[in-house]
Amino acid sequence: DQQVKQNSPSLSVQEGRISILNCDYTNSMFDYFLWYKKYPAEGPTFLISISSIKDKNEDGRFTVFLNKSAKHLSLHIVPSQPGDSAVYFCAASAPGTYKYIFGTGTRLKVLA
Amino acid sequence: EAQVTQNPRYLITVTGKKLTVTCSQNMNHEYMSWYRQDPGLGLRQIYYSMNVEVTDKGDVPEGYKVSRKEKRNFPLILESPSPNQTSLYFCASTTGPPYGKLFFGSGTQLSVL
Repeated sequence: DQQVKQNSPSLSVQEGRISILNCDYTNSMFDYFLWYKKYPAEGPTFLISISSIKDKNEDGRFTVFLNKSAKHLSLHIVPSQPGDSAVYFCAASAPGTYKYIFGTGTRLKVLA
Repeated sequence: EAQVTQNPRYLITVTGKKLTVTCSQNMNHEYMSWYRQDPGLGLRQIYYSMNVEVTDKGDVPEGYKVSRKEKRNFPLILESPSPNQTSLYFCASTTGPPYGKLFFGSGTQLSVL
């Protein structure tokens, strides 16, 4: 049972435009969500997170939106740059579980 | 520099030959965890440790062992590797779930022939 789902395996976007990566979850106990970026031959690196008490969190070009009623979060990258080309994972955690559950990832390609 | 160090980066072995992948962190984190990444399946948790001598199973623990004798080290042990354990492995650490950020190592690509 995939508790965290990223339904788009890949996404291509033109440089300078907005990239929107989506993530859905099924466990209503999740209350903290993270996005990670992964380049080939490297480990995932933390990008941005959001707590369930918020519906939006911004960090420079990256914004994460959380819709708790829809159990959906999205990562917006504006403007997209070629260096953003990577695999993006969303992850979720719930109090008391000692686990982070990851999605299957979305490969973003930003075209110059 | 704060980091999680895994060794080796690449490993080719044969079925049944015991191996250990080491993981060390220098951030004094209490929580450490192992993940495997497979195409189409994302990152799946193998084992985690909340502190020294405290470990528990993740979602795919079969065929793996771990130990946490020191805070900084969390080795992953494959007693009798099989081809279905061919995968990309990541070690990670954090101050603690659910609100800590996970820091990942660079990964170990394991091939079991």
